[in-house]
Amino acid sequence: NAGVTQTPKFQVLKTGQSMTLQCAQDMNHEYMSWYRQDPGMGLRLIHYSVGAGITDQGEVPNGYNVSRSTTEDFPLRLLSAAPSQTSVYFCASSYGSEGNTEAFFGQGTRLTVV
Amino acid sequence: KQEVTQIPAALSVPEGENLVLNCSFTDSAIYNLQWFRQDPGKGLTSLLLIQSSQREQTSGRLNASLDKSSGRSTLYIAASQPGDSATYLCAAPDDDNYGQNFVFGPGTRLSVLP
Repeated sequence: NAGVTQTPKFQVLKTGQSMTLQCAQDMNHEYMSWYRQDPGMGLRLIHYSVGAGITDQGEVPNGYNVSRSTTEDFPLRLLSAAPSQTSVYFCASSYGSEGNTEAFFGQGTRLTVV
Repeated sequence: KQEVTQIPAALSVPEGENLVLNCSFTDSAIYNLQWFRQDPGKGLTSLLLIQSSQREQTSGRLNASLDKSSGRSTLYIAASQPGDSATYLCAAPDDDNYGQNFVFGPGTRLSVLP
């Protein structure tokens, strides 16, 4: 019972590099989302998806890109990494039922941009 | 936009004490509210989900209550143990997608001393 799996767990990037953070869930959840967690800022929503082929922006989408080609996978792409993107990134999934939408989180990806 | 606050920011108690963590939210038109636990350097673990039609939920030594009219939720931990030491996060939905976009509070950092 894997739940939500994120890879990699740790990553160091140089400014300007691009990379993809992977997220996969095996619970057949329709809804998936990406958050970033920064000291003093809490968790903030980056992008989300209500199903395969459908994505939308959250509170802090700039510098990130997403796509949802399958129900299981929701990768987050950093187009040109900047030091301001140093953060811990969490992927979450939940079942789309009004009110009963318990969210499950991955273990996080700790990204440092130098 | 939903705003979530939590008090206290940090709490240190001796083992065995009962304690209450507080969460306040500004938009009371919520589908649910969720409490999470986060251990240092780890992901988020769901503790309790309270649907809008419920007033409280219990899991073991944890009890969470929800008062939509006052915009408050409390997490009660009975007979605290050192293993309860962690950061506790409250999350209330933003105004769309059936409560699947969460706004997080800043968390309460709990230390239970042996």
